[in-house]
Amino acid sequence: DTEVTQTPKHLVMGMTNKKSLKCEQHMGHRAMYWYKQKAKKPPELMFVYSYEKLSINESVPSRFSPECPNSSLLNLHLHALQPEDSALYLCASSQTQGTSPGYTFGSGTRLTVV
Amino acid sequence: LAKTTQPISMDSYEGQEVNITCSHNNIATNDYITWYQQFPSQGPRFIIQGYKTKVTNEVASLFIPADRKSSTLSLPRVSLSDTAVYYCLVGGLNTGGFKTIFGAGTRLFVKA
Repeated sequence: DTEVTQTPKHLVMGMTNKKSLKCEQHMGHRAMYWYKQKAKKPPELMFVYSYEKLSINESVPSRFSPECPNSSLLNLHLHALQPEDSALYLCASSQTQGTSPGYTFGSGTRLTVV
Repeated sequence: LAKTTQPISMDSYEGQEVNITCSHNNIATNDYITWYQQFPSQGPRFIIQGYKTKVTNEVASLFIPADRKSSTLSLPRVSLSDTAVYYCLVGGLNTGGFKTIFGAGTRLFVKA
């Protein structure tokens, strides 16, 4: 298995809702990442987990809460989001917290906040 | 973290070789250079990575001069399906750990 699987593919949520995005990989990678991508912009790093521990938080608002229950699974819990949080949310993984031989990305969750 | 600069867009024709250059003047000693391809509504796909000199794989070549302040992604004989955004990333250790930041990307449009 050489894929990163993200679910759901599409999500519409209200500003008072609580939802979660899920990311799974079975490549034995020990680093996992959340990125946010707005239309026609590059992906922006949000969080990095290394060996199931939060390594980097790029000053992301607390309405986004990451969780890494085990080495294969990464969640992003969403609460009280704003319409400007609508974006493509990408998960990635790598062997360790380094770039060699690069990240494997999932196809993303398209999030719309109404 | 080293900032990267790429052309915003490029046009090419099928069968041509395309070279996309990325500038990273502040690259650090332990930084790697990585290129990704992204199609609309998909996650980026790893193309190639290098540290210095030349790296080649089945889809591309990466040329890195001795001073490492720039790099060039070379795509041989492009096809219509190579129309995508290409990102150059430079990543290395920093106080918070190891991370890489995407640059603005180059939109490549391949015409028939």
